[in-house]
Amino acid sequence: RKEVEQDPGPFNVPEGATVAFNCTYSNSASQSFFWYRQDCRKEPKLLMSVYSSGNEDGRFTAQLNRASQYISLLIRDSKLSDSATYLCVVNNLGSGNTGKLIFGQGTTLQVKP
Amino acid sequence: SQTIHQWPATLVQPVGSPLSLECTVEGTSNPNLYWYRQAAGRGLQLLFYSVGIGQISSEVPQNLSASRPQDRQFILSSKKLLLSDSGFYLCAWSVPSSSTDTQYFGPGTRLTVL
Repeated sequence: RKEVEQDPGPFNVPEGATVAFNCTYSNSASQSFFWYRQDCRKEPKLLMSVYSSGNEDGRFTAQLNRASQYISLLIRDSKLSDSATYLCVVNNLGSGNTGKLIFGQGTTLQVKP
Repeated sequence: SQTIHQWPATLVQPVGSPLSLECTVEGTSNPNLYWYRQAAGRGLQLLFYSVGIGQISSEVPQNLSASRPQDRQFILSSKKLLLSDSGFYLCAWSVPSSSTDTQYFGPGTRLTVL
Protein backbone atom coordinates (compact mmCIF):
# COMPACT_ATOMS: atom_id res chain seq x y z
CA ARG A 1 0.00 0.00 0.00
CA LYS A 2 1.29 3.47 -0.90
CA GLU A 3 1.95 5.80 2.02
CA VAL A 4 -0.15 8.55 0.44
CA GLU A 5 -2.83 7.69 -2.09
CA GLN A 6 -4.72 9.97 -4.43
CA ASP A 7 -7.01 9.48 -7.37
CA PRO A 8 -4.83 10.62 -10.30
CA GLY A 9 -7.82 11.88 -12.29
CA PRO A 10 -7.91 13.81 -14.51
CA PHE A 11 -10.85 15.77 -13.19
CA ASN A 12 -12.35 17.77 -16.05
CA VAL A 13 -14.72 20.44 -14.78
CA PRO A 14 -16.31 23.59 -16.23
CA GLU A 15 -15.45 27.02 -14.96
CA GLY A 16 -17.39 27.87 -11.82
CA ALA A 17 -17.76 24.27 -10.72
CA THR A 18 -16.95 22.96 -7.27
CA VAL A 19 -14.51 20.08 -7.19
CA ALA A 20 -13.20 17.95 -4.32
CA PHE A 21 -10.04 15.90 -4.09
CA ASN A 22 -9.45 13.18 -1.55
CA CYS A 23 -6.32 11.63 -0.16
CA THR A 24 -5.59 8.85 2.32
CA TYR A 25 -2.40 8.21 4.24
CA SER A 26 -1.15 5.06 5.90
CA ASN A 27 0.97 6.28 8.82
CA SER A 28 -1.24 7.06 11.78
CA ALA A 29 1.68 8.88 13.43
CA SER A 30 1.88 11.48 10.64
CA GLN A 31 2.07 14.91 12.15
CA SER A 32 1.46 17.54 9.52
CA PHE A 33 -0.35 17.73 6.24
CA PHE A 34 -0.26 19.90 3.18
CA TRP A 35 -1.65 20.46 -0.26
CA TYR A 36 0.87 21.51 -2.89
CA ARG A 37 0.09 22.64 -6.40
CA GLN A 38 2.32 21.70 -9.33
CA ASP A 39 1.95 23.28 -12.74
CA CYS A 40 3.20 21.39 -15.78
CA ARG A 41 7.00 21.14 -15.77
CA LYS A 42 7.28 23.41 -12.73
CA GLU A 43 8.19 22.89 -9.10
CA PRO A 44 5.55 22.13 -6.47
CA LYS A 45 4.34 25.17 -4.56
CA LEU A 46 2.65 25.14 -1.21
CA LEU A 47 -1.06 25.75 -1.58
CA MET A 48 -2.07 25.39 2.03
CA SER A 49 -1.38 23.51 5.21
CA VAL A 50 -4.14 21.32 6.57
CA TYR A 51 -5.15 21.75 10.18
CA SER A 52 -7.13 19.39 12.37
CA SER A 53 -10.04 21.79 12.65
CA GLY A 54 -10.17 22.37 8.91
CA ASN A 55 -9.11 25.60 7.27
CA GLU A 56 -10.13 27.83 4.43
CA ASP A 57 -8.19 30.15 2.15
CA GLY A 58 -10.43 32.00 -0.24
CA ARG A 59 -12.01 29.46 -2.58
CA PHE A 60 -9.99 26.60 -1.11
CA THR A 61 -11.01 24.52 1.90
CA ALA A 62 -8.90 21.76 3.40
CA GLN A 63 -10.05 19.19 5.91
CA LEU A 64 -8.34 16.48 7.91
CA ASN A 65 -9.87 13.41 9.48
CA ARG A 66 -7.20 11.78 11.65
CA ALA A 67 -9.42 8.89 12.67
CA SER A 68 -9.95 7.88 9.04
CA GLN A 69 -6.50 9.10 7.93
CA TYR A 70 -8.15 11.12 5.23
CA ILE A 71 -7.45 14.59 3.81
CA SER A 72 -9.59 16.57 1.41
CA LEU A 73 -9.33 19.71 -0.69
CA LEU A 74 -12.40 21.54 -1.94
CA ILE A 75 -12.16 24.17 -4.67
CA ARG A 76 -15.18 26.37 -5.18
CA ASP A 77 -15.93 28.50 -8.23
CA SER A 78 -13.14 26.90 -10.30
CA LYS A 79 -11.05 29.17 -12.50
CA LEU A 80 -9.13 28.28 -15.62
CA SER A 81 -5.97 29.12 -13.68
CA ASP A 82 -6.75 26.37 -11.18
CA SER A 83 -5.77 23.80 -13.80
CA ALA A 84 -2.78 21.97 -12.31
CA THR A 85 -1.82 18.85 -10.44
CA TYR A 86 -2.64 18.89 -6.74
CA LEU A 87 -0.31 16.96 -4.49
CA CYS A 88 -1.37 15.62 -1.13
CA VAL A 89 1.63 15.68 1.20
CA VAL A 90 2.19 14.17 4.61
CA ASN A 91 5.09 14.95 6.92
CA ASN A 92 6.43 12.15 9.09
CA LEU A 93 8.85 14.01 11.26
CA GLY A 94 12.04 12.05 11.80
CA SER A 95 14.75 12.59 14.36
CA GLY A 96 15.95 16.15 14.86
CA ASN A 97 12.85 17.57 13.17
CA THR A 98 14.09 16.57 9.75
CA GLY A 99 10.69 16.38 8.18
CA LYS A 100 10.29 13.82 5.49
CA LEU A 101 7.57 14.82 3.11
CA ILE A 102 5.74 11.92 1.58
CA PHE A 103 4.04 12.93 -1.66
CA GLY A 104 1.01 11.48 -3.28
CA GLN A 105 1.21 11.07 -7.02
CA GLY A 106 -1.14 13.98 -7.47
CA THR A 107 -4.59 14.63 -8.86
CA THR A 108 -4.79 16.45 -12.16
CA LEU A 109 -7.45 19.11 -12.57
CA GLN A 110 -8.45 20.59 -15.92
CA VAL A 111 -10.87 23.48 -15.77
CA LYS A 112 -12.61 24.07 -19.10
CA PRO A 113 -14.17 27.32 -20.34
CA SER B 1 12.85 36.94 2.00
CA GLN B 2 14.22 33.52 1.25
CA THR B 3 14.99 32.35 -2.26
CA ILE B 4 16.26 29.07 -3.61
CA HIS B 5 18.19 28.65 -6.83
CA GLN B 6 19.02 25.61 -8.90
CA TRP B 7 21.17 25.20 -11.95
CA PRO B 8 21.29 24.24 -14.63
CA ALA B 9 17.62 24.42 -15.53
CA THR B 10 17.93 21.69 -18.13
CA LEU B 11 20.64 19.19 -18.91
CA VAL B 12 21.14 16.48 -21.52
CA GLN B 13 23.90 14.04 -20.71
CA PRO B 14 25.13 10.76 -22.25
CA VAL B 15 25.02 7.54 -20.27
CA GLY B 16 28.20 7.10 -18.24
CA SER B 17 28.98 10.79 -17.95
CA PRO B 18 29.34 12.57 -14.59
CA LEU B 19 26.73 14.86 -13.08
CA SER B 20 26.79 17.87 -10.81
CA LEU B 21 23.66 19.79 -9.91
CA GLU B 22 23.80 22.76 -7.60
CA CYS B 23 21.31 24.29 -5.22
CA THR B 24 21.75 27.43 -3.15
CA VAL B 25 19.48 29.12 -0.65
CA GLU B 26 19.51 32.80 0.27
CA GLY B 27 17.96 34.68 3.14
CA THR B 28 18.14 32.01 5.81
CA SER B 29 20.75 30.30 7.95
CA ASN B 30 21.29 26.63 8.65
CA PRO B 31 18.31 25.42 6.64
CA ASN B 32 17.42 21.78 6.26
CA LEU B 33 18.07 20.92 2.63
CA TYR B 34 16.59 18.16 0.48
CA TRP B 35 17.03 16.60 -2.95
CA TYR B 36 14.02 15.00 -4.64
CA ARG B 37 13.56 13.34 -8.00
CA GLN B 38 10.35 13.20 -9.97
CA ALA B 39 10.41 10.67 -12.79
CA ALA B 40 8.00 11.15 -15.69
CA GLY B 41 4.44 10.40 -14.59
CA ARG B 42 5.49 9.55 -11.05
CA GLY B 43 5.50 11.15 -7.63
CA LEU B 44 8.37 12.91 -5.91
CA GLN B 45 10.94 10.69 -4.29
CA LEU B 46 13.23 11.95 -1.53
CA LEU B 47 16.87 11.18 -2.37
CA PHE B 48 18.92 12.99 0.28
CA TYR B 49 18.50 15.42 3.12
CA SER B 50 20.93 17.46 5.17
CA VAL B 51 20.60 19.18 8.53
CA GLY B 52 24.01 20.87 8.42
CA ILE B 53 27.36 21.25 6.67
CA GLY B 54 28.82 17.87 5.86
CA GLN B 55 25.77 16.02 7.22
CA ILE B 56 24.03 13.97 4.54
CA SER B 57 21.40 11.27 4.92
CA SER B 58 20.54 9.03 2.00
CA GLU B 59 17.02 7.75 1.55
CA VAL B 60 17.42 5.31 -1.32
CA PRO B 61 20.37 3.33 -2.63
CA GLN B 62 21.48 4.57 -6.01
CA ASN B 63 24.45 5.80 -7.99
CA LEU B 64 23.92 9.37 -6.84
CA SER B 65 25.59 11.21 -3.98
CA ALA B 66 25.08 14.54 -2.25
CA SER B 67 27.34 17.00 -0.51
CA ARG B 68 26.90 20.15 1.50
CA PRO B 69 30.17 22.06 1.41
CA GLN B 70 28.64 25.30 2.70
CA ASP B 71 25.68 26.13 4.91
CA ARG B 72 23.41 27.14 2.05
CA GLN B 73 24.80 25.03 -0.77
CA PHE B 74 23.66 21.53 -1.65
CA ILE B 75 25.15 19.54 -4.51
CA LEU B 76 23.90 16.38 -6.18
CA SER B 77 26.48 14.33 -8.05
CA SER B 78 27.04 11.15 -9.96
CA LYS B 79 30.20 9.61 -11.35
CA LYS B 80 28.40 7.69 -14.09
CA LEU B 81 24.85 8.44 -15.15
CA LEU B 82 22.35 5.73 -16.00
CA LEU B 83 19.33 6.01 -18.30
CA SER B 84 17.14 5.61 -15.22
CA ASP B 85 18.61 8.80 -13.73
CA SER B 86 16.52 10.88 -16.13
CA GLY B 87 13.98 13.00 -14.32
CA PHE B 88 13.12 16.31 -12.71
CA TYR B 89 15.46 17.04 -9.79
CA LEU B 90 14.15 19.36 -7.14
CA CYS B 91 15.97 20.94 -4.24
CA ALA B 92 13.99 22.10 -1.24
CA TRP B 93 14.65 23.84 2.05
CA SER B 94 12.89 24.10 5.37
CA VAL B 95 13.33 25.94 8.64
CA PRO B 96 15.05 23.69 11.15
CA SER B 97 13.31 22.90 14.40
CA SER B 98 9.96 23.84 12.92
CA SER B 99 7.03 21.81 14.14
CA THR B 100 5.42 21.71 10.71
CA ASP B 101 8.58 21.65 8.61
CA THR B 102 7.01 23.12 5.50
CA GLN B 103 9.35 22.68 2.57
CA TYR B 104 9.91 25.15 -0.25
CA PHE B 105 11.13 24.03 -3.61
CA GLY B 106 13.57 25.43 -6.12
CA PRO B 107 12.71 25.66 -9.83
CA GLY B 108 14.26 22.26 -10.55
CA THR B 109 16.67 20.77 -13.07
CA ARG B 110 15.27 18.64 -15.87
CA LEU B 111 17.83 15.92 -16.66
CA THR B 112 17.69 13.73 -19.74
CA VAL B 113 20.18 10.88 -19.98
CA LEU B 114 20.60 9.52 -23.51
